[in-house]
Amino acid sequence: DAGVIQSPRHEVTEMGQEVTLRCKPISGHNSLFWYRQTMMRGLELLIYFNNNVPIDDSGMPEDRFSAKMPNASFSTLKIQPSEPRDSAVYFCASKGFGNQPQHFGDGTRLSIL
Amino acid sequence: AQKVTQAQTEISVVEKEDVTLDCVYETRDTTYYLFWYKQPPSGELVFLIRRNSFDEQNEISGRYSWNFQKSTSSFNFTITASQVVDSAVYFCALSNAGGTSYGKLTFGQGTILTVHP
Repeated sequence: DAGVIQSPRHEVTEMGQEVTLRCKPISGHNSLFWYRQTMMRGLELLIYFNNNVPIDDSGMPEDRFSAKMPNASFSTLKIQPSEPRDSAVYFCASKGFGNQPQHFGDGTRLSIL
Repeated sequence: AQKVTQAQTEISVVEKEDVTLDCVYETRDTTYYLFWYKQPPSGELVFLIRRNSFDEQNEISGRYSWNFQKSTSSFNFTITASQVVDSAVYFCALSNAGGTSYGKLTFGQGTILTVHP
């Protein structure tokens, strides 16, 4: 079975550029989560969706960050404009109905120069 | 508010030693779920176990075992006869079972385990 698929795996770009991270959840899962991992702050939940609807975006750091889930099989996390402090590993996770565990993608390592 | 504390930042052992990773949690919910995840050097996060708050039975899976004690709000993880491949960062996490934040995970800061040959 395919797991959560994230792209790109690595992204290096210059400050001020727009960055788009992509996620394909596991088929049949109805919840999708975006996390950011840094040494200083550990794993932080940015936003999550249930049935394609954003439920809690309180973790989104500021208006430069936005996330969409246009359908059950695709989500994007966009940063515009990007800043060096956005450098981190970004994970997408999905889970099925009920209290199923979240399954994580391999992450996108983002470096903003 | 929910909180997960992994007091051990780093642990270093020699292969074949047993090692226990501690996890203490705080929640006001009566129904909740606890998880352990492993993050090997390659960076992915791997689900290891889920335990609900009504099930205090200990669980064993091969060299891994988990001890859930509701009275002390702890969910400790023991690796028996550790191996070099166990070297990773281990995260304990908590989620509630309902409400608007249903399914949302609160992670501990992680414990870095290094197993030396």
